[in-house]
Amino acid sequence: DQQVKQNSPSLSVQEGRISILNCDYTNSMFDYFLWYKKYPAEGPTFLISISSIKDKNEDGRFTVFLNKSAKHLSLHIVPSQPGDSAVYFCAASAGETSGSRLTFGEGTQLTVNP
Amino acid sequence: NAGVMQNPRHLVRRRGQEARLRCSPMKGHSHVYWYRQLPEEGLKFMVYLQKENIIDESGMPKERFSAEFPKEGPSILRIQQVVRGDSAAYFCASSPRIAGAREQYFGPGTRLTVT
Repeated sequence: DQQVKQNSPSLSVQEGRISILNCDYTNSMFDYFLWYKKYPAEGPTFLISISSIKDKNEDGRFTVFLNKSAKHLSLHIVPSQPGDSAVYFCAASAGETSGSRLTFGEGTQLTVNP
Repeated sequence: NAGVMQNPRHLVRRRGQEARLRCSPMKGHSHVYWYRQLPEEGLKFMVYLQKENIIDESGMPKERFSAEFPKEGPSILRIQQVVRGDSAAYFCASSPRIAGAREQYFGPGTRLTVT
């Protein structure tokens, strides 16, 4: 039962353009969502997160949008840079206190072409 | 300001041997999580520990796998009698004991190869 899904295994964009990575979830108990970036042979690096009480969170070039009714979130990267090329994982957790397990999607390989 | 540390980075074991993976959380973090990533898949939760306590082990296989986080020293993920299907990247993450702190910070992982 895949509770967090990233339906696009890969995405290719031109440098300077916008990258949009999508994520869908099925578990209504999820109330906190995170995006991680992962390079080969390294651990995931935290990028940005959003609580279910918000619909948008922005941090520099990264913006996450949450549509609770559709159970959908997206990560926008603008402008995209070649160094952004990596696998991006969407993750979700349930529970109001710290210390909740993360449920991950399968990842989207982003390639930013110079 | 060291991040999450894991060792070894690479571990090769023959079928039937034991594998021990170690994780030191970030300074000031008291929550430790272990995740496993099989080839071509996302990360799957295994276990969540605090010092001397297992809080949630619902993702751990029922046999051969165990985890601990002692009062002193790193967290240990132990796999007994390894099989080829245990070959994967094992990631440790930590988070602080602060209300509302939901982000987890990951180590570089241990890549286990079972031959």
